[in-house]
Amino acid sequence: DAKTTQPPSMDCAEGRAANLPCNHSTISGNEYVYWYRQIHSQGPQYIIHGLKNNETNEMASLIITEDRKSSTLILPHATLRDTAVYYCIVRTGTASKLTFGTGTRLQVTL
Amino acid sequence: GAVVSQHPSWVICKSGTSVKIECRSLDFQATTMFWYRQFPKQSLMLMATSNEGSKATYEQGVEKDKFLINHASLTLSTLTVTSAHPEDSSFYICSARIPSAGAKTDTQYFGPGTRLTVL
Repeated sequence: DAKTTQPPSMDCAEGRAANLPCNHSTISGNEYVYWYRQIHSQGPQYIIHGLKNNETNEMASLIITEDRKSSTLILPHATLRDTAVYYCIVRTGTASKLTFGTGTRLQVTL
Repeated sequence: GAVVSQHPSWVICKSGTSVKIECRSLDFQATTMFWYRQFPKQSLMLMATSNEGSKATYEQGVEKDKFLINHASLTLSTLTVTSAHPEDSSFYICSARIPSAGAKTDTQYFGPGTRLTVL
């Protein structure tokens, strides 16, 4: 599975959009981009995933560049409860492993 | 999203004893479940893949005789840490896999984790 690169930490003011970048320059055509987050001392929470089209759900939007070498997770109106470590993971389709990197620690502040 | 539970949420045991952790998918059937371990300030590390009705597949470096995994039904997988020692103290997390429509991909949903402390 392709390796991902994320900034170690980011800050965001409450109510503002949080834009979390992820580089995956070695992604191959059949690999999906997944985003999870982990709030302190809890299990990871699934956020969203996509292949090449932009995706949106009730939690977030996922923007994937046309060349698929990078993506951005957007939390449109960050709240204090969005403070967590966010993991960008690239993997092939079914049954393959989720390999967690170090993620981005997002701190939402008042 | 799908709900996965774990029991217990935390456990303290003496060195040399065995501890069993349960992982249940509450509102779906999961043919495949995964077990992860997370040490403080580190990321999750996959320990093993558990398939219903068959033997688990362990990651390199994970002792299968020490970490016994049983996936006897489509909603329950168990991890037993045998002869636990202080270095086994960690946060153990399970996940269950749901295939997507068309089965081209899938999503893993995680349990809340079990914190094991071995004295």
